Amino acid sequence: EVQLVESGGGLVQPGGSLRLSCAASGFTFSSYEMNWVRQAPGKGLEWVSYISSSGSTIYYADSVKGRFTISRDNAKNSLYLQMNSLRAEDTAVYYCATLLMSGLNKHHAFDIWGQGTMVTVSS
Amino acid sequence: QSALTQPASVSGSPGQSITISCTGTSSDVGSYNLVSWYQQHPGKAPKLMIYEVSKRPSGVSNRFSGSKSGNTASLTISGLQAEDEADYYCCSYAGSSTVYVFGTGTKVTVL
Repeated sequence: EVQLVESGGGLVQPGGSLRLSCAASGFTFSSYEMNWVRQAPGKGLEWVSYISSSGSTIYYADSVKGRFTISRDNAKNSLYLQMNSLRAEDTAVYYCATLLMSGLNKHHAFDIWGQGTMVTVSS
Repeated sequence: QSALTQPASVSGSPGQSITISCTGTSSDVGSYNLVSWYQQHPGKAPKLMIYEVSKRPSGVSNRFSGSKSGNTASLTISGLQAEDEADYYCCSYAGSSTVYVFGTGTKVTVL
């Protein structure tokens, strides 16, 4: 079964750090470009970060640039998001998602999604 | 980068057709045929319904269709069914600087 499972969320104080993980199974993780997308409570979706299949290309939304770091370990079929200097506005469900691919062609759409992990930034 | 603009809510009766608009700018929707649409039921992860403006992933009903004109993309749901009641989000590729921008989201209600 194709699956993404996020973990690592929780309650953290403003200014604190948290590391999210996303475990992939049922597909060749190393061939897929990956993303983090978040959703604040009762709000819409917001793209957070992208990483290429090899990890050589990385992008961030302006709202997290300089504070969040995306990485991956293809040997462990895992994606990560290191979140530092957390703010109240970072409170959200964080989803990992694959980029839809067909062969080497990327279709710039988010195909497989995890169930999400909740991050709450509050004192 | 501002979110793409969607109507907050759209409603229709079973069997009817509804259309959700998604308005961006010449830097995102207008520049790329890379608009995707997602369906999200309460408490669930989003599900890809349309990619590259009008393509349907395997398994998605052909009652869902997409189009684009200028800076505005649209999702049409025909033969509206009770299970279509959900939130819908558009998303556009916006180049290597902004990368991806989502829409504000539309709540679809089946009357």
